Amino acid sequence: ETGVTQSPTHLIKTRGQQVTLRCSSQSGHNTVSWYQQALGQGPQFIFQYYREEENGRGNFPPRFSGLQFPNYSSELNVNALELDDSALYLCASSFGELSYNEQFFGPGTRLTVL
Amino acid sequence: DAKTTQPPSMDCAEGRAANLPCNHSTISGNEYVYWYRQIHSQGPQYIIHGLKNNETNEMASLIITEDRKSSTLILPHATLRDTAVYYCIYSGGYQKVTFGIGTKLQVIP
Repeated sequence: ETGVTQSPTHLIKTRGQQVTLRCSSQSGHNTVSWYQQALGQGPQFIFQYYREEENGRGNFPPRFSGLQFPNYSSELNVNALELDDSALYLCASSFGELSYNEQFFGPGTRLTVL
Repeated sequence: DAKTTQPPSMDCAEGRAANLPCNHSTISGNEYVYWYRQIHSQGPQYIIHGLKNNETNEMASLIITEDRKSSTLILPHATLRDTAVYYCIYSGGYQKVTFGIGTKLQVIP
C-alpha cells in the first residue's frame, strides 16, 4: 500500500504566474482535500474532491482550482500568483464523501512566490 | 467554521505522560474529535479520533468529557520523537475540517 505522494517538493514562481501541484492518493481512497499552510499557521482548507466532483470549498478565491482524475489523483492549480500564496500546500486523501474518516496527508509542496 | 481552542505550547519531560487539552464547545452531536500531529516541515499525521467514548490506540489515548465540549490527548510515555505541533479538530458529515494553530509540544530530555 503506497502512501500519499506530492510533486514537486519545492517550487519557486514569480507574481502573476500560474502553478500546478500534483497529488497521488493512497490506494483505495476516493476523496482528496487540499490545504494551504502558511508559516506558523495550521493548514487551511482549500477544497475537497470526491469521485471527480468538488464537494466542498473553503474561503479561497476562484483562481484556486482543482481536478480529480478517474484514478483519484489530483491537481491544484493557482492562477495569477500573489506573494501571499507562498506556503506549504498539502493534499490529504481519505475514503468516502463525508468527513468521518481520518485523512492521510502527503509531505507537501513548498511554494515560494517572488 | 469549526473552531477549537488549544494552548499554544507545552513542555513535557521525556518518559512522562503528555496531556494535551482541547476545547471544542461548539461541537455538534454527529461530529467526531480528531487529533493530528505535524512534525516540522512534514504533512500532518493522524493520531486518534472519537465521538463520545474514550479511545486508545498504539499511539495515544483520547479522553472526551461527558458533555463533549472538551477532550484530552494523552501520550503515555513521551519521547523526543513526539516533539511536534498537535492539532485538535472536529468534523463530521459535510462539515469540512478546520485546523487552528495547534499546541507545540516540546519533549525535554
